[in-house]
Amino acid sequence: NAGVTQTPKFQVLKTGQSMTLQCAQDMNHEYMSWYRQDPGMGLRLIHYSVGAGITDQGEVPNGYNVSRSTTEDFPLRLLSAAPSQTSVYFCASRAFGLGYGYTFGSGTRLTVV
Amino acid sequence: ELKVEQNPLFLSMQEGKNYTIYCNYSTTSDRLYWYRQDPGKSLESLFVLLSNGAVKQEGRLMASLDTKARLSTLHITAAVHDLSATYFCAVDMSQGGSEKLVFGKGTKLTVNP
Repeated sequence: NAGVTQTPKFQVLKTGQSMTLQCAQDMNHEYMSWYRQDPGMGLRLIHYSVGAGITDQGEVPNGYNVSRSTTEDFPLRLLSAAPSQTSVYFCASRAFGLGYGYTFGSGTRLTVV
Repeated sequence: ELKVEQNPLFLSMQEGKNYTIYCNYSTTSDRLYWYRQDPGKSLESLFVLLSNGAVKQEGRLMASLDTKARLSTLHITAAVHDLSATYFCAVDMSQGGSEKLVFGKGTKLTVNP
């Protein structure tokens, strides 16, 4: 049972490049989310999904796209990278129902130069 | 807009001492999570608090939730060096089909010998 797997762990992009951060979970969780963590800011929600085919925006969605074609995968796409998107990105998932906490992936450290 | 405030943001304490971290939030919610993060690592779930008056304990850590006061506390008893980490509270604002966690900025705890 691998939990939540994020790839890559580290990435350097040039301004204007696009890329996809991968997130996969093998726990059959309905809910998946993407957060970014910046120093002194805690974690902020980018996008989330309550099931395959259903996504919605979080607190800081601009510059990011998501899709959820399967229960297992929830990729995050950076459309045109900007230095302000330099951050650590975490994917998280949880099962449906009260009492279930979120399981976080190990994170992707992204630098945009 | 939901605001989640943790205090203190930085806490330096001696081994063997007790202390409490506070998490205040601005709108109604009856689900709150506490997480631990070690430097450069992912978030580890500590507690899930689901109702007013909920109290949970694990080792030297005890968390409680008062939904009427919109306050959660994380109490540390007889601190040891291994508890040094950053602790986050997160308030669950999921409603109407959404799935949103709002995080505090974190409390960086350093336990000194």
